[in-house]
Parts: sequence; structure tokens; C-alpha cells
Amino acid sequence: TQLLEQSPQFLSIQEGENLTVYCNSSSVFSSLQWYRQEPGEGPVLLVTVVTGGEVKKLKRLTFQFGDARKDSSLHITAAQPGDTGLYLCAGVIVAAGNKLTFGGGTRVLVKP
Amino acid sequence: GAVVSQHPSWVICKSGTSVKIECRSLDFQATTMFWYRQFPKQSLMLMATSNEGSKATYEQGVEKDKFLINHASLTLSTLTVTSAHPEDSSFYICSATSGGSSYEQYFGPGTRLTVT
Repeated sequence: TQLLEQSPQFLSIQEGENLTVYCNSSSVFSSLQWYRQEPGEGPVLLVTVVTGGEVKKLKRLTFQFGDARKDSSLHITAAQPGDTGLYLCAGVIVAAGNKLTFGGGTRVLVKP
Repeated sequence: GAVVSQHPSWVICKSGTSVKIECRSLDFQATTMFWYRQFPKQSLMLMATSNEGSKATYEQGVEKDKFLINHASLTLSTLTVTSAHPEDSSFYICSATSGGSSYEQYFGPGTRLTVT
């Protein structure tokens, strides 16, 4: 059982559609990060959220951190083929030595 | 800023040999470096946490004698896979953090290891 559950595991949509990826846990995180990874490459940090209820926007991407700091979501508006990739959420539990705990990942495919 | 490099990007070795992978923080000093393993179409699995000048802390189930980690400076950590076997074939990724309140980790591009 993973500490961080991501859903869905796979998402295939048409260009222009919107999508949302969810990241849920029963644990409280001091911060939560979203990464995007392309095949054969390392994850690239998209955003870090630290305050409960926080919302951050990065162009067409909107990230939200739950009030209780146990969950987060990533919403992409008008998805483009360039958004295709593996999206990973990862949370930090300070008491666990600042290790990142990764969710299982959501594979997003945006078809032109 | 916050660039992490890995070398080599891919390596093929014969069963029984050892392979060393380097992880460098290019433009910042990394107080802590992490080593992950990733299987195809799966998420990252933390192998060990490495602090400069001290012994690495390994996750449960990771053999410390097989995966030797050295963090000799604030910009370099190495992972040596000893007596490699085909089941060690995987994508190995390192990350580095300089600390701070958000504990952001910056990842290297990964090293694909294939053991034949």
C-alpha cells in the first residue's frame, strides 16, 4: 500500500480537453511537490505547495493543496500534446527525515 | 539554477562486474543526496539517503553491501552497484537538496543500467 495514492493511473485525452490528477494520503505533509517525468529522463519539479488550502498556477497548470495538507490536485486546462508525460506527486514528512514519498504516478497522454 | 547531473547516462555491463554512477550538483551545494530506482512504468523507489561526510541511510530491503554509496563532497555522490546481476538492471536516479524550508529535491537525468 502506497502512502500517497495517485489517481487515475492513466489518462488519455484529446488536445484541448481539461484533466485533473489527484494525490491523496492519510498522512499530513509539511510540503508536497509535483513533478513531470518524460521517458528516459529524471523528474522535473513543477511546483511545491506548503500551506493548507494553497493554490498555485503555472500557465495552464493549477495546483491545489488540501486544507488539511493530506491531499493535492493538479488541473491542466486545454491540454496540449506537450503535456504528455508521467506526473508524480511527492510529499515530505519532516519526522521521516525529509524524505520524499512518491505517489504511484499518473501517465498522461494528450493526443493531437 | 539547481542543476544535477549524472554520469554515465547509460551503461551496459556483464554479470558479476561492478558499476559506478556519479551524481553531481552543478550550481549549488547539496547537503543531502538521494538515490532512487525506477522500474518501467512505475514510480520512483527511494534506495538510500546520503549526507556529506557520513554513512548513507538505506531503506528497508536495500542491500547496503550491494549498493555502495559515497558522498565525499557537497557536490558529489556516487552509487556503486557491486557484483551486478541482470535483476539489477533498472533506471537509477539521484536527487539533491540544499535544505531549506520546502525541502525541494532536484533530480538528475537518470542512468539506465543494463546487466547482461
